[in-house]
Amino acid sequence: KNQVEQSPQSLIILEGKNCTLQCNYTVSPFSNLRWYKQDTGRGPVSLTIMTFSENTKSNGRYTATLDADTKQSSLHITASQLSDSASYICVVIRWGGGNKLTFGTGTQLKVEL
Amino acid sequence: GAGVSQSPSNKVTEKGKDVELRCDPISGHTALYWYRQRLGQGLEFLIYFQGNSAPDKSGLPSDRFSAERTGESVSTLTIQRTQQEDSAVYLCASSLVRYEQYFGPGTRLTVT
Repeated sequence: KNQVEQSPQSLIILEGKNCTLQCNYTVSPFSNLRWYKQDTGRGPVSLTIMTFSENTKSNGRYTATLDADTKQSSLHITASQLSDSASYICVVIRWGGGNKLTFGTGTQLKVEL
Repeated sequence: GAGVSQSPSNKVTEKGKDVELRCDPISGHTALYWYRQRLGQGLEFLIYFQGNSAPDKSGLPSDRFSAERTGESVSTLTIQRTQQEDSAVYLCASSLVRYEQYFGPGTRLTVT
């Protein structure tokens, strides 16, 4: 079983709408959680980094939340744009793990007109 | 440099041949990572370098895979006797230790 589970696997929304992506993890002990955006054919690019003590962090139209007690995170995208079409990957780093990342399988988001 | 670069961007090879993939990290980044991403799947960790040494090789899938890093800079990932299941995008990332990892564009390897 993957230690980082994401849902939904894929999502199609209309431009201008909001959406929320989910991430559940079992990685322990927890160090920090990151959301990455990966455009087709490109490497992942970091959107947010959240440590144990942080509950929410925003980066423009992206807002990430973290509940370290329930081991859940979400990424909320507001006023979606066509350029938001990409794979969104939840990544968890284990404390003492040498900065090794454990990746979720991603949510493939498509924004349509 | 401006970011992590990888070469080649695409590589098609015949089953059984050896391939070398190259990663040039961001200058000054002491940590370097290799990942594999199979079609439709998440990224898999392969190996982590701190300087020129590799304290974590736990992700290398078989002894056909090896990697080295020289001069605390460029790294090469070598796959010997390639198999079709090796077809994937191989991503390299670099970072200052315990800081955010910056990814390269990847090398798409196709084994025919």
